[in-house]
Amino acid sequence: AQSVTQLDSQVPVFEEAPVELRCNYSSSVSVYLFWYVQYPNQGLQLLLKYLSGSTLVKGINGFEAEFNKSQTSFHLRKPSVHISDTAEYFCAALLGRQGGKLIFGQGTELSVKP
Amino acid sequence: DTGVSQDPRHKITKRGQNVTFRCDPISEHNRLYWYRQTLGQGPEFLTYFQNEAQLEKSRLLSDRFSAERPKGSFSTLEIQRTEQGDSAMYLCASSPPPGPYGYTFGSGTRLTVV
Repeated sequence: AQSVTQLDSQVPVFEEAPVELRCNYSSSVSVYLFWYVQYPNQGLQLLLKYLSGSTLVKGINGFEAEFNKSQTSFHLRKPSVHISDTAEYFCAALLGRQGGKLIFGQGTELSVKP
Repeated sequence: DTGVSQDPRHKITKRGQNVTFRCDPISEHNRLYWYRQTLGQGPEFLTYFQNEAQLEKSRLLSDRFSAERPKGSFSTLEIQRTEQGDSAMYLCASSPPPGPYGYTFGSGTRLTVV
């Protein structure tokens, strides 16, 4: 069974519009959750992470995500996107609380159009 | 510190040849991870080290793959008798001692087997 599921493979959006990238996780993983961004031909960059505490997490580049335990979701949002946000976004969960392996979703390609 | 370094960035090899990739993690990180990413997919876990000890190896990893981290610093990933299906981006990441930390990724090595 998939541990981390990203519900949209592609999300096209116009510049300055809001966006939400959806991520659901299974109860078999820990609740340490992450969002990464990957630009073409580059490695992954950490956007934000949820470890505990406030369910609304703020990250870099104006992104934020909300942890929802009852819905087992960790959706990523940005109120106004820029062309430069065009990239692949990956949701991930830490398997095990002591820093074991990260399990990634399939990715969501965000395409921001002018 | 310049982050996680991977070498080479690109490698083209003929089917049946052996290839070796190198990863230099962030110096104070004692955990090092290898992932493989194919087009349109999220990174797939291969193996990870804590210092020089290889703690886990994916069952998806065939016997043709081997990884080492002899002195607990840099790591190498070798693929013997390459096949076209090995074509992918190979990502290395590192993290601090055990805990709920996100990884720092390198830029990856793109392998093309022709």
